[in-house]
Amino acid sequence: TQLLEQSPQFLSIQEGENLTVYCNSSSVFSSLQWYRQEPGEGPVLLVTVVTGGEVKKLKRLTFQFGDARKDSSLHITAAQPGDTGLYLCAGGGGGGSNYKLTFGKGTLLTVNP
Amino acid sequence: DVKVTQSSRYLVKRTGEKVFLECVQDMDHENMFWYRQDPGLGLRLIYFSYDVKMKEKGDIPEGYSVSREKKERFSLILESASTNQTSMYLCASSQSTGGVEYGYTFGSGTRLTVV
Repeated sequence: TQLLEQSPQFLSIQEGENLTVYCNSSSVFSSLQWYRQEPGEGPVLLVTVVTGGEVKKLKRLTFQFGDARKDSSLHITAAQPGDTGLYLCAGGGGGGSNYKLTFGKGTLLTVNP
Repeated sequence: DVKVTQSSRYLVKRTGEKVFLECVQDMDHENMFWYRQDPGLGLRLIYFSYDVKMKEKGDIPEGYSVSREKKERFSLILESASTNQTSMYLCASSQSTGGVEYGYTFGSGTRLTVV
């Protein structure tokens, strides 16, 4: 069974602070995605990374895929209240199933004004 | 705007009822999935389908069945609803390319309460 461990589970910060969320596994994945989920809604895809060492930026969000394709990080610069939500990482392609994702349990981020 | 549409946002059903949750996608995606999401347990895969009339069990299929008669529609059936099936149900679809999964599109979810 593949596992994706996310840390921290909960994060409460003030507006303007920086933060990093981590996603780690012992399995190698062919792709790694990050999603954000707001209360009462489904997760929304933020980014997909597929190459070891790849870095992608989405405004104030920076995503990195580890060199060995086993881990990833999400860094938010100058967090805003609108960044509040549950952040989920998901890995694809581990264990031979290309379209079935393994999800982490998520990091619940609260950004206070 | 591409979409995955779940038929109901909120449902309240009685124990023992047969419950149908419908999901429709307009992206011509091959793959469709049903998850349930519970606090502390994360997203758990119930069933998935990679083609019309094809289905595979996920991690927690007991008490559920699925139907995929058309490419765009994937239905989840609770054969005899029980209180431990109270949960948020999420449908998703995807189209893998070159053996790589680029990400799911999720519906808005159905919050099911079984009383």
